[in-house]
Amino acid sequence: DTGVSQNPRHKITKRGQNVTFRCDPISEHNRLYWYRQTLGQGPEFLTYFQNEAQLEKSRLLSDRFSAERPKGSFSTLEIQRTEQGDSAMYLCASSLVGGLYGYTFGSGTRLTVV
Amino acid sequence: QQQVKQSPQSLIVQKGGISIINCAYENTAFDYFPWYQQFPGKGPALLIAIRPDVSEKKEGRFTISFNKSAKQFSLHIMDSQPGDSATYFCAASLNAGGTSYGKLTFGQGTILTVHP
Repeated sequence: DTGVSQNPRHKITKRGQNVTFRCDPISEHNRLYWYRQTLGQGPEFLTYFQNEAQLEKSRLLSDRFSAERPKGSFSTLEIQRTEQGDSAMYLCASSLVGGLYGYTFGSGTRLTVV
Repeated sequence: QQQVKQSPQSLIVQKGGISIINCAYENTAFDYFPWYQQFPGKGPALLIAIRPDVSEKKEGRFTISFNKSAKQFSLHIMDSQPGDSATYFCAASLNAGGTSYGKLTFGQGTILTVHP
């Protein structure tokens, strides 16, 4: 499968716990994006990387959220001290620089905070 | 202003009919306008996209109409089929070359149901 892979697909956690999601982009794509999608809404941009550099972060990305892409390949998104409001689908996408037509989303990680 | 406003929220169409979804934007710096299709439990998948130097783009049964002066664009699905039942999102991206290039701003989504 040469698409964008996200793991886990589903995560249920108790409020206050830390969670980490992983995204494996399409191998030749050097840009990687994280979005959050709540029920009935469109995806909202969180942050993006070009290779290993994090170039932009949304105001939505509070200090409880951290994203890394250590070797410019896979990326992780960690949420510390989860809150019920963090319940959402977390989507990863990847593309080539300037290659918006190659922009591909993964199937997402559904987070439920109880 | 970064918003993209989409309507209607939901749409019911008979098989063979035309589905029309509309979007409006405010930021004139947007220069790429894609439409995405999303099925339950899946990520959005690109359907068709347009740049503001073109007023219409057609790919198979899907057509984007773009009105730059009105800052509006729409998706037309001709001969709608039950398999088209999904959520559709319009989106917009800022100018090529800027640091925000590639960051998509999405509309709120339209749930399309095509009855057989």
